[in-house]
Amino acid sequence: NAGVTQTPKFRILKIGQSMTLQCTQDMNHNYMYWYRQDPGMGLKLIYYSVGAGITDKGEVPNGYNVSRSTTEDFPLRLELAAPSQTSVYFCASRGTEETQYFGPGTRLLVL
Amino acid sequence: GENVEQHPSTLSVQEGDSAVIKCTYSDSASNYFPWYKQELGKGPQLIIDIRSNVGEKKDQRIAVTLNKTAKHFSLHITETQPEDSAVYFCAAPVSSYKLIFGSGTRLLVRP
Repeated sequence: NAGVTQTPKFRILKIGQSMTLQCTQDMNHNYMYWYRQDPGMGLKLIYYSVGAGITDKGEVPNGYNVSRSTTEDFPLRLELAAPSQTSVYFCASRGTEETQYFGPGTRLLVL
Repeated sequence: GENVEQHPSTLSVQEGDSAVIKCTYSDSASNYFPWYKQELGKGPQLIIDIRSNVGEKKDQRIAVTLNKTAKHFSLHITETQPEDSAVYFCAAPVSSYKLIFGSGTRLLVRP
């Protein structure tokens, strides 16, 4: 199993541009999550999903959108990039146990 | 809602010494407390967890203790090695499928 994979690894965006961060898991997990990690800070939940077709907001959803059309994929969309969205983004998934499995992260710089 | 505070934010120890990281939580209904380790440039990875029906759990050089009365739980690393250098996060549940993370502790083990 590859676990949780994320693409791209790194991206530079200009203010106002849009992009989609991809996340895929091959563990057949129902639960998936998007977090952002700012320097020296913990993980803040952006959006989460409890199954295909079901998504909900986390602590910091403003400026982001998600979709969950399949069990495997949970893309995160930034519509109008702002400098405040400069961060490292982690996708995670979990099955019936509580353990969350994290991807390697996407580092995003908005200039 | 649930809140998790983590201390210290940075910790420097000599190789072979012990390291202790402490977290406090606010929701007395919380019953699952994981610890994650994040190495440089990688996603967090679960290293140990504890449930509220036990007071201590060990896994080789790592142990976690839980004090439900005081609402705090701690990570203990004995005989520290340079490869233990990383950022450590505690977490507590805010629902049956969501976690809230502490702000992290950067551990440096000096050779």
